Amino acid sequence: EPEVTQTPSHQVTQMGQEVILRCVPISNHLYFYWYRQILGQKVEFLVSFYNNEISEKSEIFDDQFSVERPDGSNFTLKIRSTKLEDSAMYFCASRETLTTDTQYFGPGTRLTVL
Amino acid sequence: ELKVEQNPLFLSMQEGKNYTIYCNYSTTSDRLYWYRQDPGKSLESLFVLLSNGAVKQEGRLMASLDTKARLSTLHITAAVHDLSATYFCAVVNNFNKFYFGSGTKLNVKP
Repeated sequence: EPEVTQTPSHQVTQMGQEVILRCVPISNHLYFYWYRQILGQKVEFLVSFYNNEISEKSEIFDDQFSVERPDGSNFTLKIRSTKLEDSAMYFCASRETLTTDTQYFGPGTRLTVL
Repeated sequence: ELKVEQNPLFLSMQEGKNYTIYCNYSTTSDRLYWYRQDPGKSLESLFVLLSNGAVKQEGRLMASLDTKARLSTLHITAAVHDLSATYFCAVVNNFNKFYFGSGTKLNVKP
């Protein structure tokens, strides 16, 4: 069964450094998402992406964050100048179309900022 | 901004018992999702409810949606230990932005 993959599974970085989290959505899916989950808390929407542009973003998704689909398969989340409070699980998800409502989540990347 | 509230946040129950998790949301949405998350794992899609009165069942779990009351329920029948997990509801606005509830951590004791 097709699945969303994410790399790395765990990323440790120093405060102030830039990180890039990578996702490979399911191949025929058109809508892509990033979410964040701080340990023990709820899942927070960051951004949705369609047709090579952001369709929605949350208040969390400020200038520190950017997303890109650099080729036909990868979907990346870049966090510039990481802060301690960026430590969280980051989940990527994809959906085939807007009328195909099921979102498929990747396994997540645990980001630890020291 | 759309708000989603779940209750209870924690639920400890004995195997064989029934219980209901509630999900309220603050503004109109005609799509509601239920997810399961095991500790340290990703989210697994359980149900997508698309219209008022929608009811879906899978095994011991049944989800329903009342869009007029802005309420969804996830009913657990004859709970078993394998259902222990955190359950999240989520709604989406017209512009493809998802709002999650705080989650209900379910512990089913043998």
